[in-house]
This record gives sequence, structure tokens and C-alpha cells, in this order.
Amino acid sequence: QSALTQPPSASGSPGQSVTISCTGTSSDVGAYNYVSWYQQHPGKAPKLMIYEVTKRPSGVPDRFSGSKSGNTASLTVSGLQAEDEADYYCSSFTDDKNPYVFGTGTKVTVL
Amino acid sequence: QVQLVQSGAQVEKPGASVKVSCKASGYTFTDYYIHWVRQAPGQGLEWMGWVNPNSGDTHYAQKFQGRVTMTRDTSISTAYMELRGLVSDDTAVFYCAREHSDSGTYYKSFDHWGLGTLVTVSS
Repeated sequence: QSALTQPPSASGSPGQSVTISCTGTSSDVGAYNYVSWYQQHPGKAPKLMIYEVTKRPSGVPDRFSGSKSGNTASLTVSGLQAEDEADYYCSSFTDDKNPYVFGTGTKVTVL
Repeated sequence: QVQLVQSGAQVEKPGASVKVSCKASGYTFTDYYIHWVRQAPGQGLEWMGWVNPNSGDTHYAQKFQGRVTMTRDTSISTAYMELRGLVSDDTAVFYCAREHSDSGTYYKSFDHWGLGTLVTVSS
């Protein structure tokens, strides 16, 4: 099972939006609405930001939104703030023997 | 509040085993699966497997089959991950994470994470 493909980096100025893609296959992202996104600041544990493609856990700002089309999921961060600078990982449930797969990670920089 | 408190950093020699603990509090331990995720230095996240604290059932990633064992002790609300036959590439931070679920509905995501345990494999 290969990792889901994410761009290594993305950036935007404060107040702008940035969108991160997460490309998988018809066995994972394309097969299930079980895509989740995690934010990880340096030296910290990941934090759940989006689950089931579009849903936000309690306490996550509505500046964070998720979507999916075919085998590609996306995370959009609107109204970028300095604290959004972090690594972001997508994850998907799969029908593989390994039921969970993570993305390669994207470093978001707030310019 | 939900907390997952992991054991401290460890240094092990190649060929040795390591056992990491994850003590849960703030919720009913047996109601939520515990997953283990590995992150090598400067690298991404890698799913290792899960343990069902209620039944003790486990499911491991194919990569770790035969080398990892995940267990739990319900009397102290603690999950464990043991990795054997350590090699230098096993140097990583190991996280436990709770599966996000609600009243029997599983969301296939991880809503609470431990702070991580750094395991260094070095001779």
C-alpha cells in the first residue's frame, strides 16, 4: 500500500487561502468517504482537523474545510493565520490488508 | 478531558525489543479502539495497527506482522505496543491514538493522540 500523494509544500499570505491535494486510488480515497486531515506543528502530536471528508471536530475553526472528487481529496484553509503554519497529513481508510494509509505530508508556510 | 499519556523515551540496541505504553483517562477505555502510528525523524506518519481494548483483538499492518504485538490491560486503562527485532530504521516517535467513534459509529480517523514516545535504536 503506497502512501497517498500530497504536494511537499504550499504557502499563502495571511488572510489568503491555500488548498492542499491528496491523491489516492479507487481502493482508498475514491472508494470511501473516510478521508481525514491532521495538522502537526513541529515536535507536537498530530491533531484531527477534518474527518469523513468534510466534517470538522468540535473546536476546529470553520476556516478549515474538506472536499473530495474521485480519487483526490482536498483541504482548504481560508483566511490563513500565522498559527496555521504546520505540516498537514491526509489519511484514508482502504480496502487493502492495511486498512489505513497516510499521505506524504504538506508543509504549509504563511508568508 | 480525554488524555493518552505515553511512556518515556527509550534507547535500545539493534536486535532488542521495545514496549511502549499508553495510559488512557477521561473516557471509558474499552469503548474506543487504540491505534499506533510511527513517525521516523523528518518523515511522515505510518499506521502500524490497532487493538480493541474491549476484546483484545488486534490488526497489524502487513509491514509489521510477526514483529509487533499490541496488547491492553483494562484494569489500568493502558494499551501497549511491543516491537521486536529493532533495526536503526525503527528509530522513530511512536504515537498511540484513539479512534474517533460515537455510539458504535466508527469514523476511521483518530481524534485524540498521545504526545509520542521517541525510540532510538543505536549500538
